[in-house]
Formats: sequence, structure tokens, C-alpha cells
Amino acid sequence: ELKVEQNPLFLSMQEGKNYTIYCNYSTTSDRLYWYRQDPGKSLESLFVLLSNGAVKQEGRLMASLDTKARLSTLHITAAVHDLSATYFCAVVGLNTGNQFYFGTGTSLTVIP
Amino acid sequence: GAVVSQHPSWVICKSGTSVKIECRSLDFQATTMFWYRQFPKQSLMLMATSNEGSKATYEQGVEKDKFLINHASLTLSTLTVTSAHPEDSSFYICSAREAGRSYEQYFGPGTRLTVT
Repeated sequence: ELKVEQNPLFLSMQEGKNYTIYCNYSTTSDRLYWYRQDPGKSLESLFVLLSNGAVKQEGRLMASLDTKARLSTLHITAAVHDLSATYFCAVVGLNTGNQFYFGTGTSLTVIP
Repeated sequence: GAVVSQHPSWVICKSGTSVKIECRSLDFQATTMFWYRQFPKQSLMLMATSNEGSKATYEQGVEKDKFLINHASLTLSTLTVTSAHPEDSSFYICSAREAGRSYEQYFGPGTRLTVT
């Protein structure tokens, strides 16, 4: 079974600071997704990374994918309070019928 | 585009009753729909995958007789929780995959089920 781990599980950071969330997965994959979830809400798609070395940026968030290391990162630049949410990565394995495997989630709190 | 709706958004039911949750793709045809369950402060766990016109495939540990899934059309899938118990209380999220676009799933807004 494909396992997806995120680090850290909980993150409290001050506004204006930078930080990185890590997503490690256990088997070969060529697709990785990042989602944001606000309390009581469903998932909001942030990024889709489709190839090794892919890097995407939107506002203060930047995501990258290293398929050889089986690692994706979500980098937060100059955090603001509005970024407080839970962030999930999800991986699709090569031979899993396009099934999504979700990471453990990272609960981010940005403190003013 | 690519909007998925769920109904109801929240439901409270008594123990022993059944409740049906609908998942609809509003502006595309969904050949495959997925049902997830999420407990508070936890990740999403895939319950089952349903393809239009065929039986759903359930993940290990998910009781198919308790969680009935029907995907009768290309825009509608339903999840029926039968003989609900308080431990079935959870946030249920569906997602849909559009025909010909296998790399993306579009998530519904979720249904909060509380069993008393």
C-alpha cells in the first residue's frame, strides 16, 4: 500500500516568516497534488505536479516535486494569517488505478 | 467549471436509521466517483470507488452492506449509510473524475453526518 507522510503535522508560525512542509511517499508516482482545507470545509485544490522537477507557485505558496526522492515540498513565504488551514498532499501511484492516497495533513496556524 | 455538489451538507439522524447522501457532478460527466470519510483532525480515507453502471469497489475494512454506493448515472452517485450508529458520525466527501481527464479529481463540499 502506498504510504504518504507529511511533516510537520502541526505548525505554528509568525506572520512574515518562511517555512516548508514536506510530503514523502513510499512508492513510485508521477502525480502529486496539494490541497487546502479550512475547518468544516472540503478540499480546495492548490497545485497539481505532474513531472519530476515540477515547480509551481501561487502567491505566497510554492510547491515542488522530486520523484526520485519521492518528496514534495510546499514552501510558504512571508506567511499571513489567511494561510492558516490544514494542508494535504495526495499522491497517485503508477499502478493504483488513479486512486488518491492522502497525506496525514499539516495543520498550519499563522500567528499575527 | 468542474463543480461537484453534495446533498445534504449536514444531517442528523437517530441510531438505527438510514441516511442517503448524494453527490452530483454539475457540469461534466463523471465516469468515476470516489467516497471519502474524514474524522476530526484526521486525513481523508478512501471508502470506495464507483464507476457508472457497475458495482462499487470498497477499500479493505469498509463494510459494503453498511455503506451502499450507487452510481446510476454519469452525474450522480449516492452513498447510503444503513443502520447508522454514532461511530458512523463523520465528514463524508465525494469526488468525481471527468471522462478523459484521469489526472484530476474534483471534490464536493462534504456532508457532515451526526448520528445520535
